[in-house]
Amino acid sequence: DQQVKQNSPSLSVQEGRISILNCDYTNSMFDYFLWYKKYPAEGPTFLISISSIKDKNEDGRFTVFLNKSAKHLSLHIVPSQPGDSAVYFCAARRTYKYIFGTGTRLKVLA
Amino acid sequence: DTGVSQDPRHKITKRGQNVTFRCDPISEHNRLYWYRQTLGQGPEFLTYFQNEAQLEKSRLLSDRFSAERPKGSFSTLEIQRTEQGDSAMYLCASRADGPDGYTFGSGTRLTVV
Repeated sequence: DQQVKQNSPSLSVQEGRISILNCDYTNSMFDYFLWYKKYPAEGPTFLISISSIKDKNEDGRFTVFLNKSAKHLSLHIVPSQPGDSAVYFCAARRTYKYIFGTGTRLKVLA
Repeated sequence: DTGVSQDPRHKITKRGQNVTFRCDPISEHNRLYWYRQTLGQGPEFLTYFQNEAQLEKSRLLSDRFSAERPKGSFSTLEIQRTEQGDSAMYLCASRADGPDGYTFGSGTRLTVV
């Protein structure tokens, strides 16, 4: 039962353009959402979060959008940089633990 | 405090051997989690501690797995009679009370041969 889904396993974007990573979830009880970035041989690092009572949160080049009616969130990175190349995971919280999607590998082409 | 530390970073073991991993969380974080990640998958929840109490254990954690957090500080994850299917990255994470997300360690990569 995959409650958090990232349907695009990979994405390639030109440097300077916008990267949009998508995530869908099934459980309406999730109350907090996160995006993590992961480089090879390292643990995931926190990027940005959003509460279920909001629909947008910005932090520099990163913006997360939440559409509760569609049970969909997205991460926008603009402008994309080669250093953004990594695997991105969305995660959703119910009570005290987070459930992760399967990840999207972003490649930013110089 | 430099974050969440995990030891060892890599472990290669023969099938049937026991292994133990250690996690040192951020000192002021009272919540500690173990996750497992295999290739092409996201981190999968294994178990959760609040202070020294183990409050949830996933169905993924068979009887061969045991985790402890004595005194509510560091935690250990032991796998007995390892199997090839146990090969994965084992991630530890911690957080304080409140809505913040986890801080993850760098993980322990286990290879069972």
